[in-house]
Amino acid sequence: QSALTQPASVSGSPGQSITISCTGTSSDVGGYKYVSWYQQYPGRAPKLMIYDVSDRPSGVSDRFSGSKSGNTASLTISGLQAEDEADYYCSSYTTSTSWVFGGGTKVTVL
Amino acid sequence: QVQLQESGPGLVKPSETLSLTCTVSGGSISSKYWSWIRQPPGKGLEWIGDIYISGSTNYNPSLKSRVTISADTSKNQFSLNLNSVTAADTAVYYCARRGYSRPGNVGPYYYNYYMDVWGKGSTVTVSS
Repeated sequence: QSALTQPASVSGSPGQSITISCTGTSSDVGGYKYVSWYQQYPGRAPKLMIYDVSDRPSGVSDRFSGSKSGNTASLTISGLQAEDEADYYCSSYTTSTSWVFGGGTKVTVL
Repeated sequence: QVQLQESGPGLVKPSETLSLTCTVSGGSISSKYWSWIRQPPGKGLEWIGDIYISGSTNYNPSLKSRVTISADTSKNQFSLNLNSVTAADTAVYYCARRGYSRPGNVGPYYYNYYMDVWGKGSTVTVSS
């Protein structure tokens, strides 16, 4: 199974909105409603931000939202804040009864 | 609140076996799925495999020939063995729990499709 494709980096100014894409295949992203997104600060473990494409765990800001179209999922961060500067990873369940992650996107707040 | 803690050698020689243990506190490992995920330096996450504490396992097809995940319910731990390691196996290794729900804490478990609790990670370097 190949890693999901994410842009290496995305940047934006405080208050702006940014979107991170995550492209897979019909065997993963396109085949299931099981895309999740994780935020990771340097030296820290990943933290779940979005699950089942667009649902947010309790405690996660509503500035984070998710969507999917075909084989591509997206994470949007609205009202960008300095604390959002981190790496973001998408993940999808696959037909192999396994999980695949994206290569990660570094978000920079200008 | 459930917490996970990885433990094991930080240095493993090439061709040998990497062994890590994840100790779960604050809840039982029974009737749940537990995963191992790794992250090479400066790179992305890679799912290694998981175990359902009735004994079933699933592995990443690219690692399947070298991986074994097992559990010890008496110690509330699960473990990873990765054999024939090379420098490419150098990474931070995380253990994680697959999310679940159990309405009213009775009856069947419903398993979600994401990892909701992660350990802090254990750095393993493969070098002679």
